Amino acid sequence: GESVGLHLPTLSVQEGDNSIINCAYSNSASDYFIWYKQESGKGPQFIIDIRSNMDKRQGQRVTVLLNKTVKHLSLQIAATQPGDSAVYFCAERVTGFQKLVFGTGTRLLVSP
Amino acid sequence: NAGVMQNPRHLVRRRGQEARLRCSPMKGHSHVYWYRQLPEEGLKFMVYLQKENIIDESGMPKERFSAEFPKEGPSILRIQQVVRGDSAAYFCASRRGQKNTEAFFGQGTRLTVV
Repeated sequence: GESVGLHLPTLSVQEGDNSIINCAYSNSASDYFIWYKQESGKGPQFIIDIRSNMDKRQGQRVTVLLNKTVKHLSLQIAATQPGDSAVYFCAERVTGFQKLVFGTGTRLLVSP
Repeated sequence: NAGVMQNPRHLVRRRGQEARLRCSPMKGHSHVYWYRQLPEEGLKFMVYLQKENIIDESGMPKERFSAEFPKEGPSILRIQQVVRGDSAAYFCASRRGQKNTEAFFGQGTRLTVV
């Protein structure tokens, strides 16, 4: 079945640095991807999404890059702040299906 | 516009009891998903519902688990005869009907089976 995995389970950065969180997906039929942020004890919070007909999308301090050739997704956070500390999940939706498939997450730790 | 509302936030049940988890989607959202999350793990899909219909229940255990989303009222995830392995956080998400629109999550219900 589909699977979404992450390369780095924990990422530690200094405040002000740029962070890059990576995600590999296995289903080439996936056409929609979302990044979520989850703080301890809370539900996932939508950050940014991207459709498969795009390779880059920017938001406020965040950029998502999609490389369909190697089935790779990344989330870039500029000028990382302590408030960015959380677990980040990528999720994919396969064409023709409606469920989101989540990876196991990457924990981002931001030191002041 | 209130977000996705789940209740209760915390639920403790003894083995063999029933657990009922409620989810009120965002206003205007007719699609609901239920996910389960174990500590330090990702979210596992359970079921996808539209009003009065179960669209995809491929992630639901065959026994003891059921879900509904009636025409009126919240979506309900029901777990009968709970066992300790059912202890987890259960999250609900909702979205509008359009394809490829973002899904918004509630704060979850943390079920503990003692």
